[in-house]
Amino acid sequence: EVQLVESGGGLVQPGGSLRLSCEVSGFTFSNTWVMWVRQSPEKGLEWVANINEDESQKYHADSVRGRFTVSRDNAKNSLYLQMSSLRVDDTAVYYCAITDYHALFFWGQGTLVTVSS
Amino acid sequence: QSALTQPASVSGSPGQSITISCTGTSSDVGSYNLVSWYQQHPDKAPKLMIYEDTKRPSGVSNHFSGSKSGNTASLTISGLQAEDEADYYCYSFAGTSYVFGTGTKVTVL
Repeated sequence: EVQLVESGGGLVQPGGSLRLSCEVSGFTFSNTWVMWVRQSPEKGLEWVANINEDESQKYHADSVRGRFTVSRDNAKNSLYLQMSSLRVDDTAVYYCAITDYHALFFWGQGTLVTVSS
Repeated sequence: QSALTQPASVSGSPGQSITISCTGTSSDVGSYNLVSWYQQHPDKAPKLMIYEDTKRPSGVSNHFSGSKSGNTASLTISGLQAEDEADYYCYSFAGTSYVFGTGTKVTVL
């Protein structure tokens, strides 16, 4: 069974930093693109970033470029999202997902990030 | 990149068929055969229902089907069932980014 488990969410002040992690099991993690997506009541679902198998290709949405960085550690079957200069409108549930054919085949359960003073 | 446009809500009686539209532009939906659809029940993660415009992943019921014409993709649910009541989102590759739809709440009357 494929499982993705996110962690690292929580309450942070505006301007602060947070690192999200996503551990994958039941799938050959090193052979797949992976992605971060977030969801908030105000903006709905939003693509955040994605990364290829060997980290040679990384893409970030305009709304987070320069503040967020996606990375991975294939030895640990893990995906990361380093978030800095956080803003109130970054508040959302953050999901990691395994992607193929430009679709999100498997999703984690999500981790809530709340940016508030 | 603007969100793809979906109707806010669609409803139908059990056994009926409903169709959800997803309108984009020639830069996303109209340029690639890469629209996917997701079902989301309350407090759950989204679930892939259709990918590459028309393909169903293993395990997804064949009463879900996808189609596309020009800049508009559609998801049809045939033989509506109570468990189909959920939110549905479309999603498309857009060249250098990805864009989701605004979401449609499906109600089974």
